[in-house]
Amino acid sequence: KAGVTQTPRYLIKTRGQQVTLSCSPISGHRSVSWYQQTPGQGLQFLFEYFSETQRNKGNFPGRFSGRQFSNSRSEMNVSTLELGDSALYLCASSEQAGGTYNEQFFGPGTRLTVL
Amino acid sequence: QQPVQSPQAVILREGEDAVINCSSSKALYSVHWYRQKHGEAPVFLMILLKGGEQKGHEKISASFNEKKQQSSLYLTASQLSYSGTYFCGTHREGSQGNLIFGKGTKLSVKP
Repeated sequence: KAGVTQTPRYLIKTRGQQVTLSCSPISGHRSVSWYQQTPGQGLQFLFEYFSETQRNKGNFPGRFSGRQFSNSRSEMNVSTLELGDSALYLCASSEQAGGTYNEQFFGPGTRLTVL
Repeated sequence: QQPVQSPQAVILREGEDAVINCSSSKALYSVHWYRQKHGEAPVFLMILLKGGEQKGHEKISASFNEKKQQSSLYLTASQLSYSGTYFCGTHREGSQGNLIFGKGTKLSVKP
């Protein structure tokens, strides 16, 4: 099976702009989670989608939003970009929601730089 | 809520052993371990559930002390390929929420 793919791999934006990141999960996986990774902070959970429904949301401002399509592909949008949004954004897919007993398969990430 | 990992970083010589710890202030149902090599995506290592069930790679050893809300990852006879940052993710008991990851432990194995 093909792994999790994320596009684009790199993005450079300026403050105030908005950005959309895309994630295609492993075939058959219905859960997609998004994480923000910055140096020294580990993986900060953004949100999880399962069967087109947002199942959980992390502690991020409303500028961060997402959605999932019927084919399980997911997009994440960040509006009104701030310098602090510069980070590696990872998505992870799993067969089931919640992650209690399901390993997550991570994509390579999208490196976002905000100037 | 974020679990605390210790140590933050460790340097080993090939063949040496290391233990990475993950502690939470909340009762846990499961602990997940991932390794991320530089420039790569995190890769699943192991899941440990309350009650003793485990799922993961055979070569990885870990423990889960439910009473202390702690988990430890044991890396024995380390190899160069073990280098990377190790993250634990915790799932609180009774929660329908997501995994909460620690800040990571950076492991460097030298020849």
